[in-house]
Amino acid sequence: EPEVTQTPSHQVTQMGQEVILRCVPISNHLYFYWYRQILGQKVEFLVSFYNNEISEKSEIFDDQFSVERPDGSNFTLKIRSTKLEDSAMYFCASSEAASGSYEQYFGPGTRLTVT
Amino acid sequence: RKEVEQDPGPFNVPEGATVAFNCTYSNSASQSFFWYRQDCRKEPKLLMSVYSSGNEDGRFTAQLNRASQYISLLIRDSKLSDSATYLCVVRDYGQNFVFGPGTRLSVLP
Repeated sequence: EPEVTQTPSHQVTQMGQEVILRCVPISNHLYFYWYRQILGQKVEFLVSFYNNEISEKSEIFDDQFSVERPDGSNFTLKIRSTKLEDSAMYFCASSEAASGSYEQYFGPGTRLTVT
Repeated sequence: RKEVEQDPGPFNVPEGATVAFNCTYSNSASQSFFWYRQDCRKEPKLLMSVYSSGNEDGRFTAQLNRASQYISLLIRDSKLSDSATYLCVVRDYGQNFVFGPGTRLSVLP
């Protein structure tokens, strides 16, 4: 069964550093998403991406964040100048376009720890 | 502010019990509705979409009441493996998805 994959599973970085989180969405999916979940809190939408551009973004997704689809398979989230409060689990998800239901399938997540 | 609300629980039920969760959403223009389950420190997994006419998938039944802006999930004949946090998710517009805080379920032997 096709699945969304994410690397790395755990990333530790120092405050102020830049990190890139990587995702490989399901191959025939056309919508891609990033979410974050701070420990003990709810899942928060960051951004959605379609046709090589951002389709929606939340208030959380400010200039510190950017997304890119550098090739036909990867979808990345870059966080510049990380802060302690960026520590969270970051989930990538993808969904088909044609179904219209927008059912999303999530990757296993990258746990980001900023020290 | 657009919100999705859920009773955080925990709901502690014996195996074989029937349990129901509700979820309310604030945006009357919301367009799609889903239930996900999330195990501890794992990713959300799609349980089912929720359709206007209600829908069933095995032991799981989902209902949508647009007039009252709530969604429900009924689990019949609970199994130990049903223990998880159940997330109500609403698509507001376009590709903007709002997650509820989740309801924790523990099914006890």
